[in-house]
Amino acid sequence: GESVGLHLPTLSVQEGDNSIINCAYSNSASDYFIWYKQESGKGPQFIIDIRSNMDKRQGQRVTVLLNKTVKHLSLQIAATQPGDSAVYFCAENPYGSGNTGKLIFGQGTTLQVKP
Amino acid sequence: SQTIHQWPATLVQPVGSPLSLECTVEGTSNPNLYWYRQAAGRGLQLLFYSVGIGQISSEVPQNLSASRPQDRQFILSSKKLLLSDSGFYLCAWRVAGGPGTQYFGPGTRLTVL
Repeated sequence: GESVGLHLPTLSVQEGDNSIINCAYSNSASDYFIWYKQESGKGPQFIIDIRSNMDKRQGQRVTVLLNKTVKHLSLQIAATQPGDSAVYFCAENPYGSGNTGKLIFGQGTTLQVKP
Repeated sequence: SQTIHQWPATLVQPVGSPLSLECTVEGTSNPNLYWYRQAAGRGLQLLFYSVGIGQISSEVPQNLSASRPQDRQFILSSKKLLLSDSGFYLCAWRVAGGPGTQYFGPGTRLTVL
């Protein structure tokens, strides 16, 4: 659902470990999902996306998993590095949003990587 | 390739003063454009979006307005700033039509004193 007004949860991991960031999305008819990374003082950056006809998609050191049954999305980061420290947002594109392209953003998760 | 610019990067304004933030996109035509506000430690709040020149949709009632005078230019304005207008303002674009990623600009940090 909407992320306005919510404090961000934090995930703390050791450098070199794998990270898993979770997101519960709100609309069962959403057909497209995106993960963003936002470093302090910068705009969100696109990481990876997945369409609703897929369960898994891999990128460089990142994997997104989609479980439509429970409306759950996760981002896995392999061998987490200090440069991965940031806030991570999931976003969904509700089916039928038409030409507006509006996204529904998750509340965000702060990832802290300990050296 | 496409790029998105925002300026200024930071701005400190007194309460009651006007505001104009600008966003421009290069390398694409007829994009969908979006203005978001992000309070410190919070998520993203959609303020306005535009699917074409002169077409503006407002998501929340507020002290702000938006305009799109040119295809790749999106402006956020206020006649009189309030303390509550402080925040990080982000512009985003995406290719019009169908599901697709929004790409964000670098943001403007606005502090109203």
